Amino acid sequence: DGGITQSPKYLFRKEGQNVTLSCEQNLNHDAMYWYRQDPGQGLRLIYYSQIVNDFQKGDIAEGYSVSREKKESFPLTVTSAQKNPTAFYLCASSPWTAQIMNTEAFFGQGTRLTVV
Amino acid sequence: AQKVTQAQTEISVVEKEDVTLDCVYETRDTTYYLFWYKQPPSGELVFLIRRNSFDEQNEISGRYSWNFQKSTSSFNFTITASQVVDSAVYFCALSKMYSGGGADGLTFGKGTHLIIQP
Repeated sequence: DGGITQSPKYLFRKEGQNVTLSCEQNLNHDAMYWYRQDPGQGLRLIYYSQIVNDFQKGDIAEGYSVSREKKESFPLTVTSAQKNPTAFYLCASSPWTAQIMNTEAFFGQGTRLTVV
Repeated sequence: AQKVTQAQTEISVVEKEDVTLDCVYETRDTTYYLFWYKQPPSGELVFLIRRNSFDEQNEISGRYSWNFQKSTSSFNFTITASQVVDSAVYFCALSKMYSGGGADGLTFGKGTHLIIQP
């Protein structure tokens, strides 16, 4: 079945450590996104990528980094520079072609990161 | 800048009641998309509907209906004869529309937590 897989589902990190969240999709979508969700805050865009080897900052990119070496994969690294990293992280993907005007984004099941 | 406002933080109704979730948006773009997503306790966002800015027809899908009014910048969502399984957080979202293809993410509201009591 096509979809987006995020791993792990739960992640614990000590303060000062970097941690990488995985996101893989087999939908053949060009665009991929990372969102952060805090209680009562809705979802906020961290980074997005429209094509392999290219990505753009979203609204809250500080303290995060990404890479897009393969179309299927868009890992997110939460660095020690992120002051408040405890949150729920959602990865999404969508088509991006001239023939398909941007449709809805498909979301993974999320990774809940807790800093201990 | 784009903004989506969902003023209702939490709504609680008894099963079988009708309930409307409000969504008001702001954008300077002349063409855009509006979305509704459902987030059950499992956390994954489930797509419900997408409307484009030049199509103001209301839409009905089973017990769900959506009312898009460009004049008031609103895109409200009504659940008729609510059921316990409708309990979830519902998000309204907005994105730009690119005629040649493109995507730069969604702007979400803060969500409305809907509780359907049996």
